[in-house]
Amino acid sequence: DAGITQSPRHKVTETGTPVTLRCHQTENHRYMYWYRQDPGHGLRLIHYSYGVKDTDKGEVSDGYSVSRSKTEDFLLTLESATSSQTSVYFCAASATSGYGYTFGSGTRLTVV
Amino acid sequence: EDQVTQSPEALRLQEGESSSLNCSYTVSGLRGLFWYRQDPGKGPEFLFTLYSAGEEKEKERLKATLTKKESFLHITAPKPEDSATYLCAVQAGETSGSRLTFGEGTQLTVNP
Repeated sequence: DAGITQSPRHKVTETGTPVTLRCHQTENHRYMYWYRQDPGHGLRLIHYSYGVKDTDKGEVSDGYSVSRSKTEDFLLTLESATSSQTSVYFCAASATSGYGYTFGSGTRLTVV
Repeated sequence: EDQVTQSPEALRLQEGESSSLNCSYTVSGLRGLFWYRQDPGKGPEFLFTLYSAGEEKEKERLKATLTKKESFLHITAPKPEDSATYLCAVQAGETSGSRLTFGEGTQLTVNP
C-alpha cells in the first residue's frame, strides 16, 4: 500500500486567510485525489491529479486550487477560507484506474 | 450523474448476529465497485473491489457480492471490533482519472 501522509493533522484558521494542506505519498502512484468529508454528504471529490502538473476539478472545487509539481506531493489550497470549508479533508492515491485508493489519515480544518 | 445510496444509515447488532449492508448504484458503465471500512478519526481502509455481476469476495467475517444494480456486504457472526462505518464507492466507465463516487456509509455498531 502507498504510504500517504497528510499535514497538518489539525488546523484552525480565520475566515479570509489562505490555507494549504499537504499530501505526500511514498509509492510513486500516478493518481492522487483530495476529498472532503462532511456529515450528510459523505466523501466528495474536490480535485484530482492524473500526473505531474495534470489536474482536474471534482464536484466541489469552488474556492479550492491544487498543485502537483512532483509525483509524491499534492497540495490543496483554500484561496480565502470560509466557514463552509470547515471539514475533514482526505488525500488518496491509486496506482491506476480500477484499483482501490489508499487514503491518508485526514486533516481536520476549522475556519472561524 | 453517478449515484450511490447505502442503507441502512446505521445498524446495531449483537455479537454473533449476522446481517447485510446494502449499496445500490446508478452509473453509466460500471468499471468497479469498492467497499471501504472507516474507523473514527481515520481514513477509509480498502476492503474489496468487485468488477462484474455475480462476483463475490470474502475476507474474514465479511463477504461482498455484486448484482447489476446493487452490492451487499454480508457480515457473519460479527464481533465488536467490526464496529465501523462501511463505505461503498463506484467507478464508472465515463468517469475519467479513476475517480470514485462514494455513498454516505452505514455506521455499524456490534455490541458484546
